[in-house]
Amino acid sequence: KQEVTQIPAALSVPEGENLVLNCSFTDSAIYNLQWFRQDPGKGLTSLLLIQSSQREQTSGRLNASLDKSSGRSTLYIAASQPGDSATYLCAVRGVTGGGNKLTFGTGTQLKVEL
Amino acid sequence: GAGVSQSPSNKVTEKGKDVELRCDPISGHTALYWYRQRLGQGLEFLIYFQGNSAPDKSGLPSDRFSAERTGESVSTLTIQRTQQEDSAVYLCASSLDGGGLEQYFGPGTRLTVT
Repeated sequence: KQEVTQIPAALSVPEGENLVLNCSFTDSAIYNLQWFRQDPGKGLTSLLLIQSSQREQTSGRLNASLDKSSGRSTLYIAASQPGDSATYLCAVRGVTGGGNKLTFGTGTQLKVEL
Repeated sequence: GAGVSQSPSNKVTEKGKDVELRCDPISGHTALYWYRQRLGQGLEFLIYFQGNSAPDKSGLPSDRFSAERTGESVSTLTIQRTQQEDSAVYLCASSLDGGGLEQYFGPGTRLTVT
């Protein structure tokens, strides 16, 4: 059974700092990995999707890497801003079980302070 | 264009009553997913629809849960004889197809069973 773990569970940083969020998964047989942000009372916003054949994806100040063989992904946020405050979720789409679902981690709650 | 929409946004019901939650996917998206997020827990996959194929119901927690989808449009998640442990945010997502593309999430329905 696929298990996804995110570390740390919560993080508080001053504005402008670069930071790294970590995600690990137990079954490396995946189609892709997706990073989301979730704001309180709102749905999920997709940030980056990395296919299993890719090593990284970049969008603006965000960079996500994937090391499938070791079951790890990192989300790098450069020059953090208060608007980045949210819960960040990673999710993997596994090959086993039909490949139809995402398995989510429990998230990293990020607070960027002025 | 419009994103995934869900209704109602909030639902409070008494234990034992039936509830219906609605999801309108992005137009043209053939794949539709339902997830549940209980307080303090990660998102759990419930069910997946892809075109006219038989749905993947492997995540439904009990036979009180069912879902329907008409063609490639609206989906309804029904919970019969609600229990307090059904209280959660129910999230719907859609993707262009089921082949590993990004999933786009709606804002969710917050269900509270009293």
